[in-house]
Amino acid sequence: QQPVQSPQAVILREGEDAVINCSSSKALYSVHWYRQKHGEAPVFLMILLKGGEQKGHDKISASFNEKKQQSSLYLTASQLSYSGTYFCGTEPGSDSWGKLQFGAGTQVVVTP
Amino acid sequence: GAGVSQSPRYKVAKRGQDVALRCDPISGHVSLFWYQQALGQGPEFLTYFQNEAQLDKSGLPSDRFFAERPEGSVSTLKIQRTQQEDSAVYLCASSTQQGTYEQYFGPGTRLTVT
Repeated sequence: QQPVQSPQAVILREGEDAVINCSSSKALYSVHWYRQKHGEAPVFLMILLKGGEQKGHDKISASFNEKKQQSSLYLTASQLSYSGTYFCGTEPGSDSWGKLQFGAGTQVVVTP
Repeated sequence: GAGVSQSPRYKVAKRGQDVALRCDPISGHVSLFWYQQALGQGPEFLTYFQNEAQLDKSGLPSDRFFAERPEGSVSTLKIQRTQQEDSAVYLCASSTQQGTYEQYFGPGTRLTVT
């Protein structure tokens, strides 16, 4: 069962912050975040493993709350280059071979 | 270095035709995944290879879909007797090892069945 992402879309002005949420009805082993620009391949941002860790990639960071079975992606001081569709991919177990179940995506538009 | 490449980038097929989509993973990557992405949706898992072994094909929608990776590098996804509902972008991804690692995606093949 695919995870649920919210919001579906967000429009930001350059420099503003945003949070994207990813929730699952099943226990999770890991959460993967990708960004995809129109017509291009999804690009890896980060992986969060079971254990409630938090990671960062430039001014993009994420947290993973395994008890709540959810992850959040934080876009801080957004830049024009952050525009795109963000997908979370969840992995239910360490034996799931990297088989990811992706959410429907959150479209982010950053305007000047 | 070279990333994951896929060919063709675009394919138009008439309903009932067979198509073959090719994926060249990053050299040395053990794991290879195929995903199907419908318009406005996230990628949906189709099948997974570790080297030449197909370890999971639970996401293949029907027996018209077939994937192979005979020498553990290049992979081909074949769709027989294409139907309109097969229209989608087919993404290939590779990863260095089995397990929870970063997946590198190719640009995809956009298949349109008319």
